Amino acid sequence: TQLLEQSPQFLSIQEGENLTVYCNSSSVFSSLQWYRQEPGEGPVLLVTVVTGGEVKKLKRLTFQFGDARKDSSLHITAAQPGDTGLYLCAGSSNTGKLIFGQGTTLQVKP
Amino acid sequence: KAGVTQTPRYLIKTRGQQVTLSCSPISGHRSVSWYQQTPGQGLQFLFEYFSETQRNKGNFPGRFSGRQFSNSRSEMNVSTLELGDSALYLCATSSGSSYNEQFFGPGTRLTVL
Repeated sequence: TQLLEQSPQFLSIQEGENLTVYCNSSSVFSSLQWYRQEPGEGPVLLVTVVTGGEVKKLKRLTFQFGDARKDSSLHITAAQPGDTGLYLCAGSSNTGKLIFGQGTTLQVKP
Repeated sequence: KAGVTQTPRYLIKTRGQQVTLSCSPISGHRSVSWYQQTPGQGLQFLFEYFSETQRNKGNFPGRFSGRQFSNSRSEMNVSTLELGDSALYLCATSSGSSYNEQFFGPGTRLTVL
């Protein structure tokens, strides 16, 4: 069974701080996605990474896919209260299903 | 394009009842997936429909079923509700890209009393 483990589960930081969220697995994924979910809404796709070692930047967010395509990280620079939410990673499994991590709840205090 | 819509947004049922949830996909999206989200288990895959056929299925009991219509709209049904079925049920649609990128609706919050 392919699993994705995210860490940390919870993160509470002050505005302006940097943070990194990790998504790890013992399995190889053909691609990996990151979503953000705000209360009362469904997850929204942020990025898809597909190549081992790939780095993608989305304003203050930097996403990296591990060389072996088993892990990924999300780094946020100078976090803002608007970054608050649940961050989910999801990998495309060998059965075609998306496997989601448990999520990281981020709270950015002003 | 209009986003994914789900109805109803909130639902309260009692144990033993059944419930039907509806999802209208983004225009042109033929794949519809359903997920259950709870604080303890996170986001868990229920099933996926494509062109009116179930293409993938998660590890949920047979009380959970779904279907897709010719216009790609989908419904999921839960029979004989249990307290543990209380959750946010999310529908997600996909254009069929090889990366299976999901576009989620706002969800239906089901509470079973």
